[in-house]
Amino acid sequence: DSGVTQTPKHLITATGQRVTLRCSPRSGDLSVYWYQQSLDQGLQFLIHYYNGEERAKGNILERFSAQQFPDLHSELNLSSLELGDSALYFCASSVVGQGMNTEAFFGQGTRLTVV
Amino acid sequence: AQSVTQPDIHITVSEGASLELRCNYSYGATPYLFWYVQSPGQGLQLLLKYFSGDTLVQGIKGFEAEFKRSQSSFNLRKPSVHWSDAAEYFCAVGAMEYGNKLVFGAGTILRVKS
Repeated sequence: DSGVTQTPKHLITATGQRVTLRCSPRSGDLSVYWYQQSLDQGLQFLIHYYNGEERAKGNILERFSAQQFPDLHSELNLSSLELGDSALYFCASSVVGQGMNTEAFFGQGTRLTVV
Repeated sequence: AQSVTQPDIHITVSEGASLELRCNYSYGATPYLFWYVQSPGQGLQLLLKYFSGDTLVQGIKGFEAEFKRSQSSFNLRKPSVHWSDAAEYFCAVGAMEYGNKLVFGAGTILRVKS
C-alpha cells in the first residue's frame, strides 16, 4: 500500500458527461501529480499541484481541470467526455515539488470507461 | 526535454533465468531515474531509483539497475526470475528542474514461462 488513495476505482459514464476523480496523498506529502495511462498514449503527465498551487501542466486537455484543496487532497475534473478519454488515471504524491530530488508514490488508479 | 525509450515491448524468459530490461533516456543534465512495475489491474510500484552516487542501485524483489552515463542507459536486471515477476515494467526519468514530473517509457511486458 503506497498510502495514496484514489476514488472511485472504476467509473463508467456516457459521452458528454462530466466526472470527478479524487486523490488523497500520503500523509505529509505536499505535491500531487496526475497521470493518464491509455493504450495509444502510454503514461502521460497531466498536471502537478504543490501545496494548493498549480506548478506544471503536461498534455492535459482544456476539457480537463484539477485543483488541490487546503487539506491537500486533489480532484481531477473531466468534462464533455469522449470515448477516447477512456483510460486509467493515476494520482501520485511526493514530499516536495521542486528543488529536491524525490520519489513519487502512486495510487491504484481510477479506471474510466466512457461509453 | 526529457524522453525515455524502452526498446523491447515484450520479453519472455524462463523461470530461473536471468533478466535484463533495457532503458535509454535523453536529458541534458543529470537525470534521476526510476523503474516501476505494474501488475494487471494494479497501480505502479517503485522498484528502485537512482538520484546520484553509486551507479549500481539495488531495489526491492531482488532487482538492480545500473546507471551508465556514457550510454544514457539505466537497465534493470534480475539474476533469477520468478513466475510472480510477470508484469509490465516502466522506466521513468525525472528532473527537479521540471518539478519532479516523470516522463515514462512505453513499458516492457515480461512473460515468464515455466
